[in-house]
Amino acid sequence: NAGVTQTPKFQVLKTGQSMTLQCAQDMNHEYMSWYRQDPGMGLRLIHYSVGAGITDQGEVPNGYNVSRSTTEDFPLRLLSAAPSQTSVYFCASSYSSGPSGANVLTFGAGSRLTVL
Amino acid sequence: KNQVEQSPQSLIILEGKNCTLQCNYTVSPFSNLRWYKQDTGRGPVSLTIMTFSENTKSNGRYTATLDADTKQSSLHITASQLSDSASYICVVSRYSSASKIIFGSGTRLSIRP
Repeated sequence: NAGVTQTPKFQVLKTGQSMTLQCAQDMNHEYMSWYRQDPGMGLRLIHYSVGAGITDQGEVPNGYNVSRSTTEDFPLRLLSAAPSQTSVYFCASSYSSGPSGANVLTFGAGSRLTVL
Repeated sequence: KNQVEQSPQSLIILEGKNCTLQCNYTVSPFSNLRWYKQDTGRGPVSLTIMTFSENTKSNGRYTATLDADTKQSSLHITASQLSDSASYICVVSRYSSASKIIFGSGTRLSIRP
């Protein structure tokens, strides 16, 4: 089935460890993004990309890196994990990031990360 | 400040009953408003999308309304089913780019048999 695939679904890290959350979409979507979801808060944008080779920061980018070498893949890297990064992470994609903003985001199933 | 506020935070109703969820926003310039449904342990899935000129839009038993003057939207669920148990998230886009999307914190709806 077409869609957004995230791996892993669950991960436990120790403070200071690094890891990469993988995100892949097979819909040839131009726009890809990473969000974190914390209890009682709305989804917050971490980083986004409007096309291969182009990335930009969102609302809460500190502690995270991204790259977009292909249209399909958009990995999120935690270089030195901290307990404050314990959260559920969602990758989402859209056909276009155009100014109308009328496009529907397709979300992955989420990755639950716990940092001890 | 661009904000999206939803009420109530949580709601419990009996199967077969109707309910209405509220969304108030202060986002400007407004582009569109979307309602998403998020099942437990899953990513959000879009239910409806409404632009400035649209007042009402239906998707099966879900009906969304938008009052752009008062900056309010509602999601009405008719004849609720157990499968409607989920979080419902209101999302407002600014008329700039897809990066300017503001999410509400959601309403958690529980349907009891």
